[in-house]
Amino acid sequence: AQKITQTQPGMFVQEKEAVTLDCTYDTSDQSYGLFWYKQPSSGEMIFLIYQGSYDEQNATEGRYSLNFQKARKSANLVISASQLGDSAMYFCAMREGGAADKLIFGTGTRLQVFP
Amino acid sequence: DAMVIQNPRYQVTQFGKPVTLSCSQTLNHNVMYWYQQKSSQAPKLLFHYYDKDFNNEADTPDNFQSRRPNTSFCFLDIRSPGLGDAAMYLCATSRDQEPGVDNEQFFGPGTRLTVL
Repeated sequence: AQKITQTQPGMFVQEKEAVTLDCTYDTSDQSYGLFWYKQPSSGEMIFLIYQGSYDEQNATEGRYSLNFQKARKSANLVISASQLGDSAMYFCAMREGGAADKLIFGTGTRLQVFP
Repeated sequence: DAMVIQNPRYQVTQFGKPVTLSCSQTLNHNVMYWYQQKSSQAPKLLFHYYDKDFNNEADTPDNFQSRRPNTSFCFLDIRSPGLGDAAMYLCATSRDQEPGVDNEQFFGPGTRLTVL
């Protein structure tokens, strides 16, 4: 069965510093997709970045980049130049195979950015 | 702006009193999802619609039902809410899955349900 593991329940980072949020996954599928979502205290899940299993380059979206290590089955999120507004829960998710894009979520990491 | 809208944002109901949560989308996406998220936990998929095709998760209680009268709207009905059903309910949408293409899910702001 597919599984996502986020081992960091909470992380702290100083403003303007970079931070890495860990995510490992387990799947027997050859084709899969990995997503990161941000959930502020307001509750809405905000899509951040995506990495396909066949993508040779690590995905980047502005200050977000994904450190994808396929052999290790890890897809860590790197946030550069942290801002106070980055304080939120961060979820790693994987697309499950099938007719629709069903996502399996990890348990999340709460990031706190301090001045 | 195209978006996913959920109403109400906060819902209070009494133990055993039926409640309906609504979701609408202007994205014209084929797929709509309902997730339950309890405090400090990951979202848990309850069911999803692929167009009008309803797909229930195996562990979703019978107490939870859904309706999708058209592409834009989807409803979550909780027939007899229990205290354990207090949670955030998230609606999401996505486009058709095309071969070799992954489509992200777009989430609404959620409805926080309190059961008294």
